[in-house]
Amino acid sequence: QSALTQPASVSGSPGQSITISCTGTSSDVGGYNYVSWYQQHPGKAPKLMIYEVSNRPSGVSNRFSGSKSGNTASLTISGLQAEDEADYYCSSYTSSSTLRVFGGGTKLTVL
Amino acid sequence: QVQLVESGGGLVKPGGSLRLSCAASGFTFSDYYMSWIRQAPGKGLEWVSYISSSGSTIYYADSVKGRFTISRDNAKNSLYLQMNSLRAEDTAVYYCARDFPDSVRLDYWGQGTLVTVSS
Repeated sequence: QSALTQPASVSGSPGQSITISCTGTSSDVGGYNYVSWYQQHPGKAPKLMIYEVSNRPSGVSNRFSGSKSGNTASLTISGLQAEDEADYYCSSYTSSSTLRVFGGGTKLTVL
Repeated sequence: QVQLVESGGGLVKPGGSLRLSCAASGFTFSDYYMSWIRQAPGKGLEWVSYISSSGSTIYYADSVKGRFTISRDNAKNSLYLQMNSLRAEDTAVYYCARDFPDSVRLDYWGQGTLVTVSS
């Protein structure tokens, strides 16, 4: 069982917007602004899409945005494109001994 | 450009050992923290261990503590993971990644190496 809870799947049509949630506790997501999001296509390594809740690394499309409210972080993808179809994982710092935790992942399907 | 290339994976029997390597290039390796993350077949990501730039600070996930040892050789631009007392549940693709502890982000990942623990 993952420390952070994500929906198993979300879907949307091209051009639409979708939001993926990531729920933790005050010991991780809610307590620190150290939430990251990763995109993983099948058979590929994960790619950093968002860090520190809402910052985008250089080269990541501005269609990707992040936010946080309380113990829940969110990744929003606007103007959905076929190439956005992938698995998405959230991650957070945690005050527990593991230091870093991941969510269970969300499969995004572009209809 | 930043490149991370893992090697050393393979098939090993339960109770056996394996040493993974991660060769880094395209950046000043000795300036950065590094992490190992694994992904069991069809499952999500699990952070395994990280090591500071000098090697003086090390953390492990509870699931591998006492069995795995992370190390680095800055002169060789290489990161290692010594895995002992391997179990079936350690079967996974193991990734190395460049780690920023001040923002808890993994900005570059290798392509991964598969470790299979089976009799």
